[in-house]
Amino acid sequence: GPKVLQIPSHQIIDMGQMVTLNCDPVSNHLYFYWYKQILGQQMEFLVNFYNGKVMEKSKLFKDQFSVERPDGSYFTLKIQPTALEDSAVYFCASSRQGEGTGQLYFGEGSKLTVL
Amino acid sequence: GDSVTQTEGLVTLTEGLPVMLNCTYQTIYSNPFLFWYVQHLNESPRLLLKSFTDNKRTEHQGFHATLHKSSSSFHLQKSSAQLSDSALYYCALSDNYGNEKITFGAGTKLTIKP
Repeated sequence: GPKVLQIPSHQIIDMGQMVTLNCDPVSNHLYFYWYKQILGQQMEFLVNFYNGKVMEKSKLFKDQFSVERPDGSYFTLKIQPTALEDSAVYFCASSRQGEGTGQLYFGEGSKLTVL
Repeated sequence: GDSVTQTEGLVTLTEGLPVMLNCTYQTIYSNPFLFWYVQHLNESPRLLLKSFTDNKRTEHQGFHATLHKSSSSFHLQKSSAQLSDSALYYCALSDNYGNEKITFGAGTKLTIKP
């Protein structure tokens, strides 16, 4: 089936540093999402993105967070600067507009550890 | 805006008993798609069930759900729980023929004990 790739699968950084999480969505998908999941807890919505713009973001999407997809390449989540509470698994997902189902396809997640 | 409500955050059952996870939704659109996603430990969420048709039962991997537009519900059921069913389950909504964003519920953690 369609695959969403996430790079890196795991990253360890020091608090205050910048991190960029990369997502390669399914090729003909137009809607992109980031979700955050702290270990042992439910997944929580961060942001969704369509046509080069943030459509909706949650309270978890702090000012230190940003997303972009320059020139149709990776869909990225950047955190600058990072904080201890940013440690989590971040899932990217994509969906295809007009397919009639809106089904989300998830990547395997990027585990971020902030020390 | 749209919303999805999963009333149980944690459900613990004994193996062999029936499973029912509740899901209700709110949307202004009359043609929503409803989904159940399942996330096993250390894995990403994957689609379990989806439905668009009112009052039609949808089944997959032993689970079933029926979309009831009259009550805005899409409860997930299984007749007999297995240990491998232990996972996080998310109900989700997509409205307007899937052209709009997808809204997830908060999720229900299902734990099946021997």
